[in-house]
Amino acid sequence: GENVEQHPSTLSVQEGDSAVIKCTYSDSASNYFPWYKQELGKRPQLIIDIRSNVGEKKDQRIAVTLNKTAKHFSLHITETQPEDSAVYFCAARIGAGNMLTFGGGTRLMVKP
Amino acid sequence: DADVTQTPRNRITKTGKRIMLECSQTKGHDRMYWYRQDPGLGLRLIYYSFDVKDINKGEISDGYSVSRQAQAKFSLSLESAIPNQTALYFCATSDSIVQETQYFGPGTRLLVL
Repeated sequence: GENVEQHPSTLSVQEGDSAVIKCTYSDSASNYFPWYKQELGKRPQLIIDIRSNVGEKKDQRIAVTLNKTAKHFSLHITETQPEDSAVYFCAARIGAGNMLTFGGGTRLMVKP
Repeated sequence: DADVTQTPRNRITKTGKRIMLECSQTKGHDRMYWYRQDPGLGLRLIYYSFDVKDINKGEISDGYSVSRQAQAKFSLSLESAIPNQTALYFCATSDSIVQETQYFGPGTRLLVL
């Protein structure tokens, strides 16, 4: 089955700096890669996703990049703010009917 | 997202007890999922259901069972709870047509003593 590894497990940045979280996946057939954000005590929520036919996608201060050859994808957050503090999960999916496999999560702390 | 609800929100039980966690949704989605969350292990899929007559095992189904009573309801049971089932449990739903986005419930925090 699919295996997704996520690094780092914790990340601390100063407000205004950029943050990058990286994930690798094992199955080259994976074609959909979402990122979920989980604030403290809250439920995970989708913040951005990318499909395998696209190399990069942006939404305001967040962006995701995908390198299919290397089988890794990354989340980039620019101009970080305290409200970006949360746990971020990457995931990968094989095919339209298959399930998501999640990475272990990254706890991002943005220091004011 | 108030469209996906879970009961109870917190539960303490003893080893060997049977416990049921319930999930309801008003989003009209066909697909429902149960995950458990443990520190450092992300979200791991326990069971999933694509419709009322379709139930599938996920990555970690041992020790769990599910029931899809209706399109809107999906229950998770621990037949004989053990301490390593202490975790945060999430239900999620997705649409079968545009099914990528999964919508999570608020979670149930379970402690097995």
